[in-house]
Amino acid sequence: EAQVTQNPRYLITVTGKKLTVTCSQNMNHEYMSWYRQDPGLGLRQIYYSMNVEVTDKGDVPEGYKVSRKEKRNFPLILESPSPNQTSLYFCASSPGWQGFYNEQFFGPGTRLTVL
Amino acid sequence: AQTVTQSQPEMSVQEAETVTLSCTYDTSESDYYLFWYKQPPSRQMILVIRQEAYKQQNATENRFSVNFQKAAKSFSLKISDSQLGDAAMYFCASSPGTYKYIFGTGTRLKVLA
Repeated sequence: EAQVTQNPRYLITVTGKKLTVTCSQNMNHEYMSWYRQDPGLGLRQIYYSMNVEVTDKGDVPEGYKVSRKEKRNFPLILESPSPNQTSLYFCASSPGWQGFYNEQFFGPGTRLTVL
Repeated sequence: AQTVTQSQPEMSVQEAETVTLSCTYDTSESDYYLFWYKQPPSRQMILVIRQEAYKQQNATENRFSVNFQKAAKSFSLKISDSQLGDAAMYFCASSPGTYKYIFGTGTRLKVLA
């Protein structure tokens, strides 16, 4: 089944404890992206990747890191989480980023709480 | 800056009736895509409909259609024959051809039986 998977689905952690949220897609998509969803703010793009080893900042990259060493994986790293990073996180992928190929497929979301 | 604005935080519609959700956007790009996504209580993001900016014909998908007014930068979603399963948060989004995606703040749709 074609899908985007995220792990963990739920995470409660404490301020300053490094964490990684994994994202994997099995559709051989070139483009992958991370979003955070907050009430009243919609989805905001954190980072995106156009291909392996090619990443760039979205609108809210502060406090986050990403890497794209393999085409299928795009982990989101919080080196020192803070309470303002409590949010619902989505990973998404698409075949490309232009034209017909920019329909995004979303993972199920990760609910992160930072105490 | 590229923006997407949804001015209706919440809307209600009677079952079997028609409802229109509003969206306006701002971009300096000449070629871009616009999307409507549905997010039911399960939180899964589901693509409802997509519009290519260079196409004048409004996109339709079964009961869902858009009214795309390029000059006015307006992209509204019309849901006909509303069903209980249409109750969800709806997000308007744009892909202005710069690798980025920009989402609106969402409209929560309630369907009344």
